[in-house]
Amino acid sequence: NAGVTQTPKFRILKIGQSMTLQCTQDMNHNYMYWYRQDPGMGLKLIYYSVGAGITDKGEVPNGYNVSRSTTEDFPLRLELAAPSQTSVYFCASSYQGGRVGEQYFGPGTRLTVT
Amino acid sequence: AQTVTQSQPEMSVQEAETVTLSCTYDTSENNYYLFWYKQPPSRQMILVIRQEAYKQQNATENRFSVNFQKAAKSFSLKISDSQLGDTAMYFCAFMDSNYQLIWGAGTKLIIKP
Repeated sequence: NAGVTQTPKFRILKIGQSMTLQCTQDMNHNYMYWYRQDPGMGLKLIYYSVGAGITDKGEVPNGYNVSRSTTEDFPLRLELAAPSQTSVYFCASSYQGGRVGEQYFGPGTRLTVT
Repeated sequence: AQTVTQSQPEMSVQEAETVTLSCTYDTSENNYYLFWYKQPPSRQMILVIRQEAYKQQNATENRFSVNFQKAAKSFSLKISDSQLGDTAMYFCAFMDSNYQLIWGAGTKLIIKP
């Protein structure tokens, strides 16, 4: 199993551009999450999904959109990128029904908006 | 709202020593889960240990153990016989009833040879 994969690893955007961060997991997990990690800070939840077709906002959803058309994929869309969105983005997944709370993380995407 | 506080931004110890990282949290819930995650320079987030609030016994995973004080809302991590590979950021996290993790700001741990 590859676990949780994220692409790209790095990206530089200009203000106002848009992009999609890709996230795929091959563990058949029902829950998936998107976090951002700002320098010197812990993670903040952007969006999460409890299954295909179901998404919900986390703590910091503004400026982002998500979709969950399949169990495996959970892309994060940035529309009209702003410097405040410069951060490292982590995708994670977990299986609710297994060991509660054990989230498996991808390697992260470092995004810079200039 | 639940909060998680890690009061030590950075710590350093000699290899083979024991180190304790502090974490306090605030919640009105009675049943919840607490976690310590490790983030080495590779940036990969790795689960170190978890504790169910309804269990009185402190969790242990090899060299890692916790001191869970529910009444004090304290959840510290003890690393025994520290190794160079333990150098990382350590994050304390609280899981609420919606299965969302709330994270502390992290403690940077440096193990010196």
